[in-house]
Amino acid sequence: NAGVTQTPKFRVLKTGQSMTLLCAQDMNHEYMYWYRQDPGMGLRLIHYSVGEGTTAKGEVPDGYNVSRLKKQNFLLGLESAAPSQTSVYFCASNSIRLLSSYEQYFGPGTRLTVT
Amino acid sequence: QQPVQSPQAVILREGEDAVINCSSSKALYSVHWYRQKHGEAPVFLMILLKGGEQKGHEKISASFNEKKQQSSLYLTASQLSYSGTYFCGTGGATNKLIFGTGTLLAVQP
Repeated sequence: NAGVTQTPKFRVLKTGQSMTLLCAQDMNHEYMYWYRQDPGMGLRLIHYSVGEGTTAKGEVPDGYNVSRLKKQNFLLGLESAAPSQTSVYFCASNSIRLLSSYEQYFGPGTRLTVT
Repeated sequence: QQPVQSPQAVILREGEDAVINCSSSKALYSVHWYRQKHGEAPVFLMILLKGGEQKGHEKISASFNEKKQQSSLYLTASQLSYSGTYFCGTGGATNKLIFGTGTLLAVQP
């Protein structure tokens, strides 16, 4: 099992450009999440999904869109990148089948720089 | 609102103990603890669910006081491998977590 994978690992964008980050998990997890991590701010939830075809806003959703067309994939889109979106982006997933299975599995992260 | 973690940073010598606290202004159903090494993804340590049960994992244990909306992570006889940033994540009725800003732990030989 690969677990949670993210592509790309690194990206540099110019202000105003768009891009999509892909998260894939092979653990048949129901829940998937997108976080951003900035120095001194910890992990902040951008959007999340409780199942295929459903998405919801997290703490910092502005400037991002997401889609969950397949259970195993969760896409994060930036329509018009801004320097404030320079960050490390983490995807995570977890299962809700068992109460004890609430741990989140994180992907390796995508480091995005917007100039 | 993010839970508040304290201290923000701590430096230890190998073998010393440390306590990291996590406090929330909201009612909690669960508290998660994760450790992140520099340049890597966060890694799950443990979950504490409503009920105040203390959990342990080798020399790392944690408690959850739901009345006070607080959790504490206890690291005993610290090892070099314990170095990293520790995050608590607080959960409400959904499985959405709100993470604290982290506590940087450095263990020196």
